[in-house]
Amino acid sequence: RKEVEQDPGPFNVPEGATVAFNCTYSNSASQSFFWYRQDCRKEPKLLMSVYSSGNEDGRFTAQLNRASQYISLLIRDSKLSDSATYLCVVNEAGKSTFGDGTTLTVKP
Amino acid sequence: DGGITQSPKYLFRKEGQNVTLSCEQNLNHDAMYWYRQDPGQGLRLIYYSQIVNDFQKGDIAEGYSVSREKKESFPLTVTSAQKNPTAFYLCASSIQQAETQYFGPGTRLLVL
Repeated sequence: RKEVEQDPGPFNVPEGATVAFNCTYSNSASQSFFWYRQDCRKEPKLLMSVYSSGNEDGRFTAQLNRASQYISLLIRDSKLSDSATYLCVVNEAGKSTFGDGTTLTVKP
Repeated sequence: DGGITQSPKYLFRKEGQNVTLSCEQNLNHDAMYWYRQDPGQGLRLIYYSQIVNDFQKGDIAEGYSVSREKKESFPLTVTSAQKNPTAFYLCASSIQQAETQYFGPGTRLLVL
């Protein structure tokens, strides 16, 4: 079993839809969590950190469920420009583990 | 502008050749990382460095070497021992290890 697992998708949604991704992790000692966005043939860029209390940035909401060991990313009112691969990152004892990513395609 | 730069953008390697990928940052970050990404896959850690003159192997260090003589620079050498080097190589840095990582634009390595 991988340390960090994501549904690879692809998720194909119409503009304006709400879409949610989950990322499960196996190490209960994991300490910090992030979501990155990666466009095709580009470097990953930080989208948002994930806090225990949950956090929101505009149309994006990230949540952490320590009991079930997963983090989630919710995108509301999807835009064409949201099409990308979303990577989750889990840190534990100084080590960062990346998921393989979930691909989102938003269509007109 | 502060940031991370990688060069070259594309690199071609001949059989049996060692090649070096450059990574420079002016963010005053202590920690730096090298990752490899294969098509359709996630990032795999090659090497990381928490501080100058110190570095540690990641999950796939075989066939690679690094140095960290300056805080700003963390070059990666892909040696001839790496039999399948074709990939997208990403360098990242963070204030300290396990903090938020910021990535350079990457280098695509292709084998001739």
